[in-house]
Amino acid sequence: DAKTTQPTSMDCAEGRAANLPCNHSTISGNEYVYWYRQIHSQGPQYIIHGLKNNETNEMASLIITEDRKSSTLILPHATLRDTAVYYCIVRVAVESGANSKLTFGKGITLSVRP
Amino acid sequence: NAGVTQTPKFRILKIGQSMTLQCTQDMNHNYMYWYRQDPGMGLKLIYYSVGAGITDKGEVPNGYNVSRSTTEDFPLRLELAAPSQTSVYFCASSSPLAGAQFFGPGTRLTVL
Repeated sequence: DAKTTQPTSMDCAEGRAANLPCNHSTISGNEYVYWYRQIHSQGPQYIIHGLKNNETNEMASLIITEDRKSSTLILPHATLRDTAVYYCIVRVAVESGANSKLTFGKGITLSVRP
Repeated sequence: NAGVTQTPKFRILKIGQSMTLQCTQDMNHNYMYWYRQDPGMGLKLIYYSVGAGITDKGEVPNGYNVSRSTTEDFPLRLELAAPSQTSVYFCASSSPLAGAQFFGPGTRLTVL
């Protein structure tokens, strides 16, 4: 998996958009950007992934720069329940045995304040 | 659609005891995984399976065994529990082409 770098932490006010940045300057052409989060004491949760086009689902939007060297996860209306550690991961999409294992870095801790 | 379910949620074992952690998924995913997560640390892959009847070792398989007799179930067996196996255990599943893994809620195991 290509390396990613994320800020250590950030906070935002409840109801506002949370924009979480990620740098992945060594991403390969066949690698996707995945975002997961882990709320305290819970299992990791898949949020969204994309290759080069912007993606949106019911949880979030993913904006990938044209050169694919960085991306931003957007939670449009953050709630207190969105307080978690968010992980940006770059990997190929096709599962392939032990190479499919997820490697989480330190992630970014998002704190949503009332 | 329950996703990935795990039982039990919590368990305390004495050194040398054995137990089975249960994992079931209802998404018809071929791939299933067992990870452990120690406090403040990342995930470590214990075992994985690419389909019924097929399993293989991950990074930290020692002290564990698995079986996969059906697509839905992937139990993890701990033999002769040791304090080093105190951890939170997560089961996950994915389809081959999706790349996204879906996790269960975890089993918090303490070995005393």
